[in-house]
Amino acid sequence: GNSVTQMEGPVTLSEEAFLTINCTYTATGYPSLFWYVQYPGEGLQLLLKATKADDKGSNKGFEATYRKETTSFHLEKGSVQVSDSAVYFCALSGAQGGSEKLVFGKGTKLTVNP
Amino acid sequence: DAEITQSPRHKITETGRQVTLACHQTWNHNNMFWYRQDLGHGLRLIHYSYGVQDTNKGEVSDGYSVSRSNTEDLPLTLESAASSQTSVYFCASSEIWTGTDTQYFGPGTRLTVL
Repeated sequence: GNSVTQMEGPVTLSEEAFLTINCTYTATGYPSLFWYVQYPGEGLQLLLKATKADDKGSNKGFEATYRKETTSFHLEKGSVQVSDSAVYFCALSGAQGGSEKLVFGKGTKLTVNP
Repeated sequence: DAEITQSPRHKITETGRQVTLACHQTWNHNNMFWYRQDLGHGLRLIHYSYGVQDTNKGEVSDGYSVSRSNTEDLPLTLESAASSQTSVYFCASSEIWTGTDTQYFGPGTRLTVL
């Protein structure tokens, strides 16, 4: 079946450090890939997405590239801020047999210290 | 501004009681979803709807039901609450069918079953 695997957390970084959160997926067909972010006490909100191979999604300094050959969608940011502290979820949808339903990874908690 | 709201935000109930969680969206979206979020599991799909009078079971639907009588609302009912249903519940909506569309999430309802 369709699934998403992302790196276990928690991840703790100092302000201005480089961030990578790994995400790989298993899916048939041509899924769209998403990163959602959940700030403390809030619901999820879309951070970025990519709908086809080699697309790069970007937002708020975060980037992720849809790599079909490695079935990956790793999240990166060059210089994190304290305000980036949140839980990050990788997700896919549009896979064969799954249509628009989102399949989530388990989430990675990021804490950024000043 | 369009939004998606959930009520109540917090609920404590007893085992065996019927509980209904409300979800209301003003996006005029056709698709609505209910997820539960548990530590170590990420978000898991409970039920979803593609339009009025349409409902479908998700990954963890046992013990839950939904009904869709209008576009704006998708209430989630726990027929006989169990301690295993203690969780944070998120409602979401999206506009189109293709799997590329963003899902918009509500702020969540924290349910405790004693």
